[in-house]
Amino acid sequence: QKEVEQDPGPLSVPEGAIVSLNCTYSNSAFQYFMWYRQYSRKGPELLMYTYSSGNKEDGRFTAQVDKSSKYISLFIRDSQPSDSATYLCAMSGSARQLTFGSGTQLTVLP
Amino acid sequence: DTEVTQTPKHLVMGMTNKKSLKCEQHMGHRAMYWYKQKAKKPPELMFVYSYEKLSINESVPSRFSPECPNSSLLNLHLHALQPEDSALYLCASSQGQGATGANVLTFGAGSRLTVL
Repeated sequence: QKEVEQDPGPLSVPEGAIVSLNCTYSNSAFQYFMWYRQYSRKGPELLMYTYSSGNKEDGRFTAQVDKSSKYISLFIRDSQPSDSATYLCAMSGSARQLTFGSGTQLTVLP
Repeated sequence: DTEVTQTPKHLVMGMTNKKSLKCEQHMGHRAMYWYKQKAKKPPELMFVYSYEKLSINESVPSRFSPECPNSSLLNLHLHALQPEDSALYLCASSQGQGATGANVLTFGAGSRLTVL
């Protein structure tokens, strides 16, 4: 079993839809949870990160962490074609090295 | 524009060639990383430099040789590569050990390597 599981998609939604991206993990030592966005042929860029359980909102993006279920989510409201990218979850514990999910490819159709 | 600069953006090399990938950051970060990413896969960690010293080598073949000349620069020297080494090579940096909070990595745009 992989430490971090992420549905690879592809996921295709119409413009304006609410998108839900999810990861599950098995290592209870993970404390920091991140979402990176990667456009085609570019490097990943950090969208947001959370520490421990709870929610964090940044504009149209909301990150949720449920440590009791070992489950994290990224919600995108009012999705735009410019949100079309691969979304990678990543997490780390005290050792601080990141473990990435496999990435979900998202396409938002105009 | 990304604050981690990688050159070249594209590189094509034969299996007998010697080439280098370069990475530069001016954010004062003290940890620098090389990752390898194949299509539709997540980045795989290759090397970590912390305060200019190699701290992690993820059992990478010796045909890949990292170098950290100073705190702002990171090189990856390539020699006798195989076609299966073709991938996107990503450089990243972070504040490094001693920093509190999440170990947030800032990635470069990558160098796309094709080995013929």
